[in-house]
Amino acid sequence: QKEVEQDPGPLSVPEGAIVSLNCTYSNSAFQYFMWYRQYSRKGPELLMYTYSSGNKEDGRFTAQVDKSSKYISLFIRDSQPSDSATYLCAMGIGSGGYQKVTFGIGTKLQVIP
Amino acid sequence: KAGVTQTPRYLIKTRGQQVTLSCSPISGHRSVSWYQQTPGQGLQFLFEYFSETQRNKGNFPGRFSGRQFSNSRSEMNVSTLELGDSALYLCASSSVRSNEQFFGPGTRLTVL
Repeated sequence: QKEVEQDPGPLSVPEGAIVSLNCTYSNSAFQYFMWYRQYSRKGPELLMYTYSSGNKEDGRFTAQVDKSSKYISLFIRDSQPSDSATYLCAMGIGSGGYQKVTFGIGTKLQVIP
Repeated sequence: KAGVTQTPRYLIKTRGQQVTLSCSPISGHRSVSWYQQTPGQGLQFLFEYFSETQRNKGNFPGRFSGRQFSNSRSEMNVSTLELGDSALYLCASSSVRSNEQFFGPGTRLTVL
């Protein structure tokens, strides 16, 4: 069993839809959680970072963490064609200097105009 | 503030050759991590360097090595290249004050 499970998709939604992306994990030692967006042939771009259970909102993006269920989500409101990308969840232990970050496989999202 | 830079962006090598990739972190960041990304495996952790010392290592063979210089720039080397080493190699930097990792654009390595 992988430490981090993420459905690779692809996920196709119409423009304006609410998108829900999810990951589950098995290692209860994970301390912080991140979501990255990766466009084709580019490096991942950090979207959201959180270290506690609950919701964190940034513009059209909301990250949700449920440590008791070992489940994290990313919601995208009013999705746009420019949101079409692969979304990676990531979970980490430790801090700069000694950290281990484990990534999900990524979910490919397509927003159709 | 300039982001993470990686050179070269593209490389084509043949089996048995070796390759060196370079990464310059965000100014002030002292931690550099390297990852291999392939369609089937996703992002796989290679190693992390901090203050010129390897602090953490993933499950890759000894053909994969790296180092970090006093200015925090890092290089990774792959010797005796195999076809399966074809991948996007990404480096990420972070500061000691934050766990957030910021990625470079990657080096796409093709082994023929």
